[in-house]
Amino acid sequence: SQTIHQWPATLVQPVGSPLSLECTVEGTSNPNLYWYRQAAGRGLQLLFYSVGIGQISSEVPQNLSASRPQDRQFILSSKKLLLSDSGFYLCAWRALLRDRVNYGYTFGSGTRLTVV
Amino acid sequence: DAKTTQPTSMDCAEGRAANLPCNHSTISGNEYVYWYRQIHSQGPQYIIHGLKNNETNEMASLIITEDRKSSTLILPHATLRDTAVYYCIVLRGKLIFGQGTELSVKP
Repeated sequence: SQTIHQWPATLVQPVGSPLSLECTVEGTSNPNLYWYRQAAGRGLQLLFYSVGIGQISSEVPQNLSASRPQDRQFILSSKKLLLSDSGFYLCAWRALLRDRVNYGYTFGSGTRLTVV
Repeated sequence: DAKTTQPTSMDCAEGRAANLPCNHSTISGNEYVYWYRQIHSQGPQYIIHGLKNNETNEMASLIITEDRKSSTLILPHATLRDTAVYYCIVLRGKLIFGQGTELSVKP
């Protein structure tokens, strides 16, 4: 079965420090991968998505970047965190349409980031 | 992406059916309607999706109008654990979330 792993669950980082959040998917190949952010009391915002290794599309200009070094690995990074980067970060994956086991997006359990 | 309109909040008595409406008047012929929910501090959970026909699974039923401009998610017997924000999304390539409906199931 397919599973998605996201870590860490919580993170407290000082302003100006770097960030690296990792997401891995098991049990599938060539998934579409997504990073979302949810600020406190707000909706989910799509940040990045990737349809393959090294292919990253950015939805919103910001202080963050994403990379996909392997087929089932998606990394969210920042060189210098801002207070406004605080939020709940979620990774999601979607199988290709021809995989009829999964129809929708599957989300990880998220990382709650607090920048202090 | 086609926009959706949902009520901001709704209440439902425990054990009763919860009917959550969604308007998507600009939907295109090949776009699916997806429903997700997010329980506080968790990632969104897939509920159900449909194109034209009504759909039912172990979690809910989805009723889509004939003109496809609106739909209703039905939780047949709501429980306290169904308290969550429910998102209706028209999918074209990417899953873009709106503000959703905050459903409160009360004893």
